[in-house]
Amino acid sequence: DAGITQSPRYKITETGRQVTLMCHQTWSHSYMFWYRQDLGHGLRLIYYSAAADITDKGEVPDGYVVSRSKTENFPLTLESATRSQTSVYFCASSVSENQPQHFGDGTRLSIL
Amino acid sequence: TQLLEQSPQFLSIQEGENLTVYCNSSSVFSSLQWYRQEPGEGPVLLVTVVTGGEVKKLKRLTFQFGDARKDSSLHITAAQPGDTGLYLCAGKNYGGATNKLIFGTGTLLAVQP
Repeated sequence: DAGITQSPRYKITETGRQVTLMCHQTWSHSYMFWYRQDLGHGLRLIYYSAAADITDKGEVPDGYVVSRSKTENFPLTLESATRSQTSVYFCASSVSENQPQHFGDGTRLSIL
Repeated sequence: TQLLEQSPQFLSIQEGENLTVYCNSSSVFSSLQWYRQEPGEGPVLLVTVVTGGEVKKLKRLTFQFGDARKDSSLHITAAQPGDTGLYLCAGKNYGGATNKLIFGTGTLLAVQP
């Protein structure tokens, strides 16, 4: 039971570069989420998806793009990375609207 | 922007001590969840409370949802080093967008042996 996996686990890049964080889940969960975690802010929702081809903005979507062409994958792209996007990014999924969210182990992203 | 404030932010205690973590908001939530997160891992759900005044127990952990559904507490009895971690509360809004959670700022707990 692989669950939900994020890749890469660690990434260092430079400002202005495009970077994509991958999220894959093996449960066929309908809902998927992207959060960023920063000291003093807890977890903040970037984007979420209720099903394939359906995505919506969360609390802090600026500078990020998502897609969901397949139920199991939910990549997050930083089109032109900025230092303020240095963070730990978590992907999560849930089977339905009122069920708990299951989190991946995160991607630690540093932008120099 | 809705906020969930947790207190204390940091807590370092000795094994065997009791502690309480608080999660407060000015907003009403339909439900509230508590997660524990260990270094290098994602948060793991501990419990969901739904009814105002509800109390749930998970071994040495006791969770309570406030009567007005605006606050919650987590009490740990006889803490052990294995309880060390970041504790996060997360609220779900009434009538809010599907399954969106508002996370608290977190309480980092260190239990010394």
